[in-house]
Amino acid sequence: QSVLTQPPSLSGAPGQRVTISCTGSSSNIGAGYDVHWYQQLPGTAPKLLIYGNANRPSGVPDRFSGSKSGTSASLAITGLQAEDEADYSCQSYDSSLNYWIFGGGTKLTVL
Amino acid sequence: QVQLQESGPGLVKPSETLSLTCAVSGYSISSDYYWGWIRQPPGKGLEWIGSIYHSGFTYYNPSLKSRVTTSVDTSKNQFSLRLSSVTAADTAVYYCARVRGTHPYWYFDLWGRGTLVTVSS
Repeated sequence: QSVLTQPPSLSGAPGQRVTISCTGSSSNIGAGYDVHWYQQLPGTAPKLLIYGNANRPSGVPDRFSGSKSGTSASLAITGLQAEDEADYSCQSYDSSLNYWIFGGGTKLTVL
Repeated sequence: QVQLQESGPGLVKPSETLSLTCAVSGYSISSDYYWGWIRQPPGKGLEWIGSIYHSGFTYYNPSLKSRVTTSVDTSKNQFSLRLSSVTAADTAVYYCARVRGTHPYWYFDLWGRGTLVTVSS
């Protein structure tokens, strides 16, 4: 079981807005450590989507946005497209475990 | 364009040592950055294994630390992972990645394509 909790699956229709949550605790997200998000298309390596809670690397559409509050973080995708169908994982640091942790991943299906 | 490419045996016997190498192109690993290894068991989430600087300084996942060794070969512009005493639980896709950000606010901005390592007799 992952230290960062994500919903296993989520779905949305094209054009809709979806939000993926990442729930942690006082030793990781709640302690102020940054949250980062990765997109993993089927059969491919993870790709950095959001870093430092809300920053997009060059080339990532502004349809993707990240936020953090308290012990949780969220990834929002607006104007959902078929190409957004993928697994999304959050990542942070845990000061009790003393290492970098990932969420279990959320499989997003575009209906 | 910076690229990372993992290589190594796809099949390892139980109790033996898994060895992988990550070749980096388009960037000299001796210039800067930590470099890391992350794995993903089939159908499961990502797990950080460890990270190494070109000087050899390392950070390891405490749950794997007793079995993990990483090294850097700046002459070949590559870094390596060795995981000893493997079991079926070590079956996973192994990724190498570049580490960015200030410790401990690290993230992984570039990834290799990954290589599946199966532990089986």
